[in-house]
Amino acid sequence: GAGVSQTPSNKVTEKGKYVELRCDPISGHTALYWYRQSLGQGPEFLIYFQGTGAADDSGLPNDRFFAVRPEGSVSTLKIQRTERGDSAVYLCASSLIPSGGANTGELFFGEGSRLTVL
Amino acid sequence: AQKVTQAQTEISVVEKEDVTLDCVYETRDTTYYLFWYKQPPSGELVFLIRRNSFDEQNEISGRYSWNFQKSTSSFNFTITASQVVDSAVYFCALGRIQGAQKLVFGQGTRLTINP
Repeated sequence: GAGVSQTPSNKVTEKGKYVELRCDPISGHTALYWYRQSLGQGPEFLIYFQGTGAADDSGLPNDRFFAVRPEGSVSTLKIQRTERGDSAVYLCASSLIPSGGANTGELFFGEGSRLTVL
Repeated sequence: AQKVTQAQTEISVVEKEDVTLDCVYETRDTTYYLFWYKQPPSGELVFLIRRNSFDEQNEISGRYSWNFQKSTSSFNFTITASQVVDSAVYFCALGRIQGAQKLVFGQGTRLTINP
């Protein structure tokens, strides 16, 4: 597709379970971001990939959260031992950074994965 | 620390009214970007505008206009002659010029346009 694709759109799990959320960015976009949006709040930054490497993971709340992007395209956000407080919409975004390195500033967001931990 | 405040949690107006969404920000950076995003019920964030802190000119795009006042750290968004399709949650955000787009978002303003 032309936009950022996220799966699943909805995930309900039980406390303590492991969850994976997938993001397929716009083709050719080298930068990929994960944000988390709690109910009634604005999105909060989690992690940023430039290519295959996590260039900035300062927003990950704790070591239960991990993300990978092994081939520089699709990314997976992994949450271990889920807690009720992890319930939120997880948004993925991608952007194109030109060869000059200047930040274009425009992120293209997916529709998010709504995670509910019971 | 960076912070964005959208004091209006919800706004409800009748179609064709003009409406202004307020945004106030805090940053120690001397240069930065400011953004507005729209979030319709489908959930994705739709980019509306990016403003560089160097450029204080106001901008108009159709029924949308933005008023950037660096002196008061505000970046307000006005919709003229509102339409039902404008109903959404609107977010103001602050970002750095270089490096990762670690945007700092406000809490959002839910705008409802009634027919």
